[in-house]
Amino acid sequence: ETGVTQTPRHLVMGMTNKKSLKCEQHLGHNAMYWYKQSAKKPLELMFVYSLEERVENNSVPSRFSPECPNSSHLFLHLHTLQPEDSALYLCASSQFAPTGYGSYGYTFGSGTRLTVV
Amino acid sequence: SQQGEEDPQALSIQEGENATMNCSYKTSINNLQWYRQNSGRGLVHLILIRSNEREKHSGRLRVTLDTSKKSSSLLITASRAADTASYFCATDLYNNAGNMLTFGGGTRLMVKP
Repeated sequence: ETGVTQTPRHLVMGMTNKKSLKCEQHLGHNAMYWYKQSAKKPLELMFVYSLEERVENNSVPSRFSPECPNSSHLFLHLHTLQPEDSALYLCASSQFAPTGYGSYGYTFGSGTRLTVV
Repeated sequence: SQQGEEDPQALSIQEGENATMNCSYKTSINNLQWYRQNSGRGLVHLILIRSNEREKHSGRLRVTLDTSKKSSSLLITASRAADTASYFCATDLYNNAGNMLTFGGGTRLMVKP
């Protein structure tokens, strides 16, 4: 257990379903991230929350909707997904570093393996 | 192409041998980090090297950084079968928007017993 917990571990959903991925960290970090990992592609940064404010979304399709109610919890709401959205979704957290210092290491959860049918 | 690119994409060695993986990047960085991922699992942070550092050690890991060549290498000495995993470099392109890491495509390492 890394201190970052993701649920569920596996999810199969139809294209018309609505589901949510959950991430929880108990490390006292104040920045959280969603990454998408598809086969044969580098990890893609989807969303960043720093001090509970979203700071980057990298033009992710609107069928993905993040929510960060507090510094310990992060959600990714999914609706009307496409088969190409099938991937491993990884949540990570870190301590936010001051300007110019550079980030600290990330702690990742084990991921949610999403299959869209 | 992406900021960090690992080389080789795949590496197969015998237990006890050393494994070297390289990472090249394109723009200035604050730091560079290496991560390990076992199949289908999350990534585990291995080591962080700052832009003003040239070499860093952690157990059987040795990381070097050459900012003039925009490259880094990860050396695993005396490899074990348990080292079989994918290894990723990640560059910190700090901007005012936050601490964001950009990951490369990874090197798949197989260590044969």
